[in-house]
Amino acid sequence: EVQLVESGGGLVQPGRSLKLSCAASGFTFSNYYMAWVRQAPTKGLEWVASITNSGGSTYYRDSVKGRFTISRDNAKSTLYLQMDSLRSEDTATYYCSLQFAYWGQGTLVTVSS
Amino acid sequence: DVVMTQTPPSLSVAIGQSVSISCKSSQSLVHSDGKTYLNWLLQNPGQSPKRLIYQVSNLGSGVPDRFSGTGSEKDFTLKISRVEAEDLGVYHCVQATHVPHTFGSGTKLEIK
Repeated sequence: EVQLVESGGGLVQPGRSLKLSCAASGFTFSNYYMAWVRQAPTKGLEWVASITNSGGSTYYRDSVKGRFTISRDNAKSTLYLQMDSLRSEDTATYYCSLQFAYWGQGTLVTVSS
Repeated sequence: DVVMTQTPPSLSVAIGQSVSISCKSSQSLVHSDGKTYLNWLLQNPGQSPKRLIYQVSNLGSGVPDRFSGTGSEKDFTLKISRVEAEDLGVYHCVQATHVPHTFGSGTKLEIK
């Protein structure tokens, strides 16, 4: 059974950093593209970033380029999202997703002073 | 960026009725590999999304065949036949052909 478990969310001040993790199990993690998707409170879904199976290529939405970094450790079957220079508009539940087919439970990031 | 226009924004339907949701893209979603990466998701209240349909018309694992997807190029439809109570929630279309991947604005299905 595919499982994706996010962690690392919390309350953080504007301008500070946070690192999210997503522990994957139930499939061969190193074979698949992975993505982070976020959902602001009462809003729709928004793709944030993706990474190829090897980690050799990464893709970002414009609003997070230069501030967020997606990475993975295939030996640990874990996906990461390093978020720097956080803004209030980054406040959202962040989901880890396997090709939009499987989703984690999400982790809430609140950016506020 | 590809804009996904999803309609209607909300629906109210009785158990057993059928409904359709539309998703139109601003560009063709046919990938250079010939496949069309258009998915439909359902987000039940308070839950994470779950995939219903992938590549326009393929039923996801464990998804009842009351759900069906049709369409091509820029025009796609999700149909739910014989709506059940468990179908309430927000339906999202998402394209994975182009980067950035983009979502529709969602359709909220309520049960009468």
